[in-house]
Parts: sequence; structure tokens; C-alpha cells
Amino acid sequence: GQNIDQPTEMTATEGAIVQINCTYQTSGFNGLFWYQQHAGEAPTFLSYNVLDGLEEKGRFSSFLSRSKGYSYLLLKELQMKDSASYLCAGMDSNYQLIWGAGTKLIIKP
Amino acid sequence: DAMVIQNPRYQVTQFGKPVTLSCSQTLNHNVMYWYQQKSSQAPKLLFHYYDKDFNNEADTPDNFQSRRPNTSFCFLDIRSPGLGDAAMYLCATSKGSPSPYNEQFFGPGTRLTVL
Repeated sequence: GQNIDQPTEMTATEGAIVQINCTYQTSGFNGLFWYQQHAGEAPTFLSYNVLDGLEEKGRFSSFLSRSKGYSYLLLKELQMKDSASYLCAGMDSNYQLIWGAGTKLIIKP
Repeated sequence: DAMVIQNPRYQVTQFGKPVTLSCSQTLNHNVMYWYQQKSSQAPKLLFHYYDKDFNNEADTPDNFQSRRPNTSFCFLDIRSPGLGDAAMYLCATSKGSPSPYNEQFFGPGTRLTVL
């Protein structure tokens, strides 16, 4: 079956760094997406990885290891506005997104 | 600005009373998706259209129907809403054929309450 696993909730301090892990199992693989979703709002696209390695985009970076079925999202210099849920989604061979339930990130001052 | 618009943002209906949610887009994207998302859960894909080609997910209940009269608009009809259908309904679009390189753009969602 297809499955995405990520922690339910994480807490971090403003200004610090946090890493949100995701493991995936999909039927075929066409890449791994990270979305940010603030409470009561729609998800917004953060990053896409299809090749192994690290993709950096400002304060956010995303890493992929296809052999391990593993990805992480790294957030640096945390700000209070980064408090949100972070959704990991794998794209299967039919180009459908298989979504995780999201990791709720709580930022404390 | 080009965007995905959903109306209404909040919808209240009574148990068993049909309801229609609407989505429009100014992005001129070929693909439109409807997702159901319950609190602290992953979005669940209900249907998607690639142009007029309708694709129903195998586990989408018959109670849910969809229409796409033109490129810009897509509707979600819930024929007889039950209490379990209370959720956020998200519309999303992507450009071209479904592919890894075409990220999905989401509307703000419609939060459905069933009384």
C-alpha cells in the first residue's frame, strides 16, 4: 500500500532550527512535495525533490533519499509566522499526490 | 492576480439537504482537483479533471458528484450530506497534464458544517 509517515507535532524556539522528517511508500515515485498549511487555510507549495540531495530555498531546505524512502524539511531562523502544519506528499506513478497527515509545528518565543 | 477562488468560504447545511460548492480559477490550468480534509488529517483526493476528462477516486462515495462545465469552473455536489461529511473542501489546480513538475495551487477552501 501507499503511505506517508511524519510526526504529528513538534515544538521549537524562535530563531532556532527544526527538521521535520517524512518517510514514504508509494507505487512508483515521481517526487516528494512539502506544503505549508496555516490553521484554517489552504496548503501552499514549499518545495519539490525528485533527485537525491538537498534543495535550498531561503530559510527552507528539503532533502531526499530515494533509496531510504526518506525526506526532511529543514527550517532555519524560525519565526513565529512559521507556526503551521507541514504536509509531506509523495507523487506516485499515476502522478497522484499521496499526502501525509501533516506535522503541526509550534514555535515558542 | 491569477488565483483559485472558492465560494462560499463557510457553508452550513442540514443533514440530507443537497449542497453545491464552487471553485473557479483564473490560471487557465488544465487540471482541477477536489480534496476533502478533516481536522489534523491528510487531504483526501475525491476527483480530478484533466480538461473534461473526469477521474473518480475508487473510494469516493457516490454521494459526491462533480461537474466541470468549462475550463474555469468546477463544482462539487454533495447529494445527501451526512454528519461525517463535515470537513474542509479544497479545490486545487495544476497546469498541463498531471506531472511532477506541475505543482498544485490551492484555493482557500470551503468549510462545510452539517447540522
